[in-house]
Amino acid sequence: EPEVTQTPSHQVTQMGQEVILRCVPISNHLYFYWYRQILGQKVEFLVSFYNNEISEKSEIFDDQFSVERPDGSNFTLKIRSTKLEDSAMYFCASSVNLVRVDEQFFGPGTRLTVL
Amino acid sequence: AQKITQTQPGMFVQEKEAVTLDCTYDTSDPSYGLFWYKQPSSGEMIFLIYQGSYDQQNATEGRYSLNFQKARKSANLVISASQLGDSAMYFCAMREGNTDKLIFGTGTRLQVFP
Repeated sequence: EPEVTQTPSHQVTQMGQEVILRCVPISNHLYFYWYRQILGQKVEFLVSFYNNEISEKSEIFDDQFSVERPDGSNFTLKIRSTKLEDSAMYFCASSVNLVRVDEQFFGPGTRLTVL
Repeated sequence: AQKITQTQPGMFVQEKEAVTLDCTYDTSDPSYGLFWYKQPSSGEMIFLIYQGSYDQQNATEGRYSLNFQKARKSANLVISASQLGDSAMYFCAMREGNTDKLIFGTGTRLQVFP
């Protein structure tokens, strides 16, 4: 069964460093998403991406964040200058088409720890 | 105001029994979808069940069913014949008609005991 994959599973970085979290969505999916979950808290939407551009973003997704689909398979989230409060689990998700209530398939997550 | 409210931080159920996890939502959009996800201790998010706002019947997926009461804006998850492997966090989420994002509740931790 096709699945969303994410690398690395765990990333440790120093405050102020740049990190890139990588995701490979399911191959025929067209919509891509990033969510984050701070430890013990609820999952929060960051950004959605369709047709090589941001479709929607939350207030969390400020200028420190960017997303890119550098090739036909990868979808990346970059945090330019990490802060302690960026420590969280980051989930990538994808969905197949334009139907608004389509299921979003989540990847296993990348746990980011900022020291 | 919270869009998704899960009032039960934790629930216990004995193996083979049924359990209901509560979820209420708030939206003025007539078109929306409601989702339940399971998050085991390993951390991944597993889709369980979906209910559309225009669906006439309650959704069912195997041992999972959704008790959708539109007038009360509730979408409770019912797990029948609980198994030890059902122990996990359960999140209710909503997607409104004109947005891409899922809005999650704070979750309910379910523990199934023998």
